[in-house]
Amino acid sequence: DTTVKQNPRYKLARVGKPVNLICSQTMNHDTMYWYQKKPNQAPKLLLFYYDKILNREADTFEKFQSSRPNNSFCSLYIGSAGLEYSAMYLCASSGTASSYEQYFGPGTRLTVL
Amino acid sequence: GDSVTQTEGLVTLTEGLPVMLNCTYQTAYSTFLFWYVQHLNEAPKLLLKSSTDNKRTEHQGFHATLHKSSSSFHLQKSSAQLSDSALYYCALSDEGYQNFYFGKGTSLTVIP
Repeated sequence: DTTVKQNPRYKLARVGKPVNLICSQTMNHDTMYWYQKKPNQAPKLLLFYYDKILNREADTFEKFQSSRPNNSFCSLYIGSAGLEYSAMYLCASSGTASSYEQYFGPGTRLTVL
Repeated sequence: GDSVTQTEGLVTLTEGLPVMLNCTYQTAYSTFLFWYVQHLNEAPKLLLKSSTDNKRTEHQGFHATLHKSSSSFHLQKSSAQLSDSALYYCALSDEGYQNFYFGKGTSLTVIP
């Protein structure tokens, strides 16, 4: 099974409220990624976990947090949502044996009102 | 820094005509290049990948050749099909840091 799952598929949030997005994979991949995708922009890498090591991009590390309680799950947490967080959030995973091929989930569309 | 530039925006083709989507990149490190395809309401899926200079890679009727001398990895298909309508992303992997850099994507629409 090469499926990456994301929950929820659609999320509506109020400005100032927290948001938690979930991703899971059963391929035993050691790396899991979170991307933000806005219209007419390239998917932007927010952070990735290699095993238990979290790597966050310098320009977004204050805005997003993440946890990986086990190999299969990874969350993306926004402590206080702003309008600018409205986007598609894509989760992906990869294994060192797969030549860095990333498997993507279907995405979570977050709308902040 | 690393970056990917691809044919931007919308490309509309008539069925049966050849497909050519451009992708060029900048990187200082060893390189894996990818093409991902995303159909409507689906997850992006890997279409092609390469790290070997001047070697043609093919899958599902599409092909691309990595040319390190020109930093290019253009996507081609000899004859477009209606089912090829999708969003196509070119991406670069920095082997040393496990980062991925995506282009903005090209929306391909094939019409009868």
